[in-house]
Amino acid sequence: DTAVSQTPKYLVTQMGNDKSIKCEQNLGHDTMYWYKQDSKKFLKIMFSYNNKELIINETVPNRFSPKSPDKAHLNLHINSLELGDSAVYFCASKQMATGELFFGEGSRLTVL
Amino acid sequence: GDSVTQMEGPVTLSEEAFLTINCTYTATGYPSLFWYVQYPGEGLQLLLKATKADDKGSNKGFEATYRKETTSFHLEKGSVQVSDSAVYFCALAQNNAGNMLTFGGGTRLMVKP
Repeated sequence: DTAVSQTPKYLVTQMGNDKSIKCEQNLGHDTMYWYKQDSKKFLKIMFSYNNKELIINETVPNRFSPKSPDKAHLNLHINSLELGDSAVYFCASKQMATGELFFGEGSRLTVL
Repeated sequence: GDSVTQMEGPVTLSEEAFLTINCTYTATGYPSLFWYVQYPGEGLQLLLKATKADDKGSNKGFEATYRKETTSFHLEKGSVQVSDSAVYFCALAQNNAGNMLTFGGGTRLMVKP
């Protein structure tokens, strides 16, 4: 069983469209994250969601909106996609006892 | 704020060579330190960690020691294999509930046979 799963794995779309990436974890963790990884492999935190409390990174444009229907899911919705949004987006959940993050396999978004 | 600095890659080594990837950090208090590895086409996975000063994390032949005096957590391996080719990320986390992991910029390792 995959601990943290993301869908879709690949997403190609046009500028201006709206798209969503879904994330689910079956580890029972309370805290989940979205990270963005650019072409140089640099990882940037976007959002943290801990037991219904959303912590927003102020550098993230408000076109990005996370949604958490329940503790096991943290989805990412992106409005009005731009070329610069092209990246790999990783979902992760945190094991509080050890601080370890468990990552999904990533969703590669390409905006044309 | 907290930050992590890693040596820039790529690091290219021959099989069985000794590996060191430097990592230094800036943080308040006593964070936990981690090394994550990302193999091609995959997500990150924890390689090793240390939660307090002088702790040594180890896994799969890799080691790193938490050095408070030099604020460092360098990754080492005595004999690398081609299968170690990946991107390695150093990271820190403050020991607060819900606190985010801060990553370094990643170092790509390429091991040639």
